Amino acid sequence: AQSVSQHNHHVILSEAASLELGCNYSYGGTVNLFWYVQYPGQHLQLLLKYFSGDPLVKGIKGFEAEFIKSKFSFNLRKPSVQWSDTAEYFCAVNRFTSGTYKYIFGTGTRLKVLA
Amino acid sequence: GAVVSQHPSWVICKSGTSVKIECRSLDFQATTMFWYRQFPKQSLMLMATSNEGSKATYEQGVEKDKFLINHASLTLSTLTVTSAHPEDSSFYICSAAISPGTGELFFGSGTQLSVL
Repeated sequence: AQSVSQHNHHVILSEAASLELGCNYSYGGTVNLFWYVQYPGQHLQLLLKYFSGDPLVKGIKGFEAEFIKSKFSFNLRKPSVQWSDTAEYFCAVNRFTSGTYKYIFGTGTRLKVLA
Repeated sequence: GAVVSQHPSWVICKSGTSVKIECRSLDFQATTMFWYRQFPKQSLMLMATSNEGSKATYEQGVEKDKFLINHASLTLSTLTVTSAHPEDSSFYICSAAISPGTGELFFGSGTQLSVL
């Protein structure tokens, strides 16, 4: 079935460690790719997005993601995490199908950063 | 940033009754709104895409007669859970995009529905 997969469900890191969260999707054709973050007690908010052009996109708070078309991947990275990055991270794919747009989310990754 | 207001935040109802959840875009016009359902410790499951002035597009497995969606204006979409049963208990989240193709989603705060 077509889907958005996030490989890591729970990640625990120490401050200053590097982060990489995997995201793969199985849709063909043109897609727009997003990473959203949900801090404890808050709404989901956008970290970064990719539509076209440079496959390496930079988002807020030092996050970046690389679109690799051949691998259907859009992995999220941050060189040095902080305690405040503790949150749940969702990869999402937006595509136009059956006459409408659909935003499909991955299963999410809970990140805990230890001070 | 853009604000999406969702009401109520939580609702408890008896089995067999209907519950309406409202989703409003407060400072922008949303031609498209998305309704999601989230089970505990799981991801957001897309239920339907709601387009202003037309019928909603439901995902496979979502009963359109049970989950009625109305997008009557550019700022309001409603989800009505008809004849609710305990298995409908869940967290429902709406979201809206200024530009549904390429824009980010703005999320409501969600509605926790508990059906007794």
